[in-house]
Amino acid sequence: NAGVTQTPKFQVLKTGQSMTLQCAQDMNHNSMYWYRQDPGMGLRLIYYSASEGTTDKGEVPNGYNVSRLNKREFSLRLESAAPSQTSVYFCASNPRRSGTEAFFGQGTRLTVV
Amino acid sequence: AQKVTQAQTEISVVEKEDVTLDCVYETRDTTYYLFWYKQPPSGELVFLIRRNSFDEQNEISGRYSWNFQKSTSSFNFTITASQVVDSAVYFCALSEALGAGSYQLTFGKGTKLSVIP
Repeated sequence: NAGVTQTPKFQVLKTGQSMTLQCAQDMNHNSMYWYRQDPGMGLRLIYYSASEGTTDKGEVPNGYNVSRLNKREFSLRLESAAPSQTSVYFCASNPRRSGTEAFFGQGTRLTVV
Repeated sequence: AQKVTQAQTEISVVEKEDVTLDCVYETRDTTYYLFWYKQPPSGELVFLIRRNSFDEQNEISGRYSWNFQKSTSSFNFTITASQVVDSAVYFCALSEALGAGSYQLTFGKGTKLSVIP
């Protein structure tokens, strides 16, 4: 009963370093999402994938890339990390039907120094 | 563009008091869905309730109740007899259709509720 699993849970990067945040879901959901959460800002959509093989930009895509590796996995890559990317990142999935709630991973707390 | 406003940034109540969290939304869609999520100090996001735009019936679940009023574009959440375990950040969210059948959630900025023993 894993749901949505994110790795790592915590990460500290130096400015300019790159890293990939991993996300996997075992609920056979079509759609997957990456959000970032900043203090006082709620959650904002970075990228989403409506189905395997497709990805699209959300509200705040700059500085990020994504890959929908298969139906289960959706990764988020920071090519050259910046302090402005310090945030908590959440992966989510849902079955791509109107009105269904999104299921969220536990989050990744990323600090860029 | 859709918008969700949670005007209350932080609320503190004494245990056993009732508390209402406000949510006002904007959308041009005639069919839409509203959600409440809870984020306890541990950080995970917990789904609480979903309501569609055609169902204005208020709902009660234990100590939780929700008041959806389409006329005022509000979807407020009340906790009765609050407990320390209710301390969390609460998010209101609105479902928005994206391309290719995906639906994203537009979140409010959240209300931090502190229940003092």
